[in-house]
Amino acid sequence: GIQVEQSPPDLILQEGANSTLRCNFSDSVNNLQWFHQNPWGQLINLFYIPSGTKQNGRLSATTVATERYSLLYISSSQTTDSGVYFCAVYTDKLIFGTGTRLQVFP
Amino acid sequence: DTGVSQDPRHKITKRGQNVTFRCDPISEHNRLYWYRQTLGQGPEFLTYFQNEAQLEKSRLLSDRFSAERPKGSFSTLEIQRTEQGDSAMYLCASSAGMGGGNTIYFGEGSWLTVV
Repeated sequence: GIQVEQSPPDLILQEGANSTLRCNFSDSVNNLQWFHQNPWGQLINLFYIPSGTKQNGRLSATTVATERYSLLYISSSQTTDSGVYFCAVYTDKLIFGTGTRLQVFP
Repeated sequence: DTGVSQDPRHKITKRGQNVTFRCDPISEHNRLYWYRQTLGQGPEFLTYFQNEAQLEKSRLLSDRFSAERPKGSFSTLEIQRTEQGDSAMYLCASSAGMGGGNTIYFGEGSWLTVV
């Protein structure tokens, strides 16, 4: 089956720093979503991004489907950005990556 | 749009007991998914429905697990004869349309602890 790998697995930042999270996938997919899982377990949709670039406030994402990767950029990080970030690719269901655990300290 | 709703949010049960979780998807979403997530791992696919039809079941879904979506609206996930290894968060998600062209939305999850 399709493999989805994320890097880095852990990231520690000071408030205000920028970061880039990467998602690699092993086969062609129909779409890709980025999620933020908060400390209470809620998976919050960040982007639906099968290809191209999207921006939402301090967050932006780019997917290069032909090269099978996606990037999530977080600028001017805040403590509320802490949590786990997942990318998930869609074949006939979502297959989740391994996640990046982000901790932002004041 | 009230979002995907799951009930109960937390359940503690003794080993060997049966438990049932309910999921109410976003109104008019015809796809409904169940996932399981253990600590430190990403969500793992269990099963999904297109309306009332169960289209795929993961090998993770042993014969102690059963899911239904009788009228194509809400869904239930039942675990019979629970084991400690069943302790996890069970996530429900829904989407509109037939395939991957639509955003999938997740509920807040149902935490199961088997003691």
